[in-house]
Amino acid sequence: GESVGLHLPTLSVQEGDNSIINCAYSNSASDYFIWYKQESGKGPQFIIDIRSNMDKRQGQRVTVLLNKTVKHLSLQIAATQPGDSAVYFCAEILNTDKLIFGTGTRLQVFP
Amino acid sequence: DARVTQTPRDKVTEMGQEVTMRCQPILGHNTVFWYRQTMMQGLELLAYFRNRAPLDDSGMPKDRFSAEMPDATLATLKIQPSEPRDSAVYFCASGLGQGRSTFGSGTRLTVV
Repeated sequence: GESVGLHLPTLSVQEGDNSIINCAYSNSASDYFIWYKQESGKGPQFIIDIRSNMDKRQGQRVTVLLNKTVKHLSLQIAATQPGDSAVYFCAEILNTDKLIFGTGTRLQVFP
Repeated sequence: DARVTQTPRDKVTEMGQEVTMRCQPILGHNTVFWYRQTMMQGLELLAYFRNRAPLDDSGMPKDRFSAEMPDATLATLKIQPSEPRDSAVYFCASGLGQGRSTFGSGTRLTVV
């Protein structure tokens, strides 16, 4: 069933294009960040993480960039596919196990 | 693949009734989290446990919500009495600490 809101920021991209999803985090002392993907009716799924001593980390088709100066995180998805359609959340952690989630961005991929 | 199992998948109940949601964390994971997701508030942390001990339940309304881990294979979240504003999707997640957790598929609760 639906698990996300109707008023999320939405990014629409054409299949095959690159996607960039942005996130502003709140605490300058946060030392660990994660991107999650949530498909309709499912729980959030881990995509990629990055620690505050790094500014870039690459995975398979995904890259996370961290700019601590402006407290900004981005997720880049190369060659976006229909299966990438979902809501994407960034989350920050400060010293503990607690994830603080952002509001999310809906990615729509059209043919 | 190891999974976090949540039951029930869907629950419809009348206002005032007790609701119990269950979670089986991944074997070997020592941290368990309960989150609530609504359209208005997004994903909110309600409570979490490490090695079955409650560490933080500051996000949970104490008067009606309670979270427990009777053993390492079961976490429960109870609401008594339930209210319409409790309608949401409740997620359980488990992990080995440092935030990288695996989420279950959630329990969609509707209180009428």
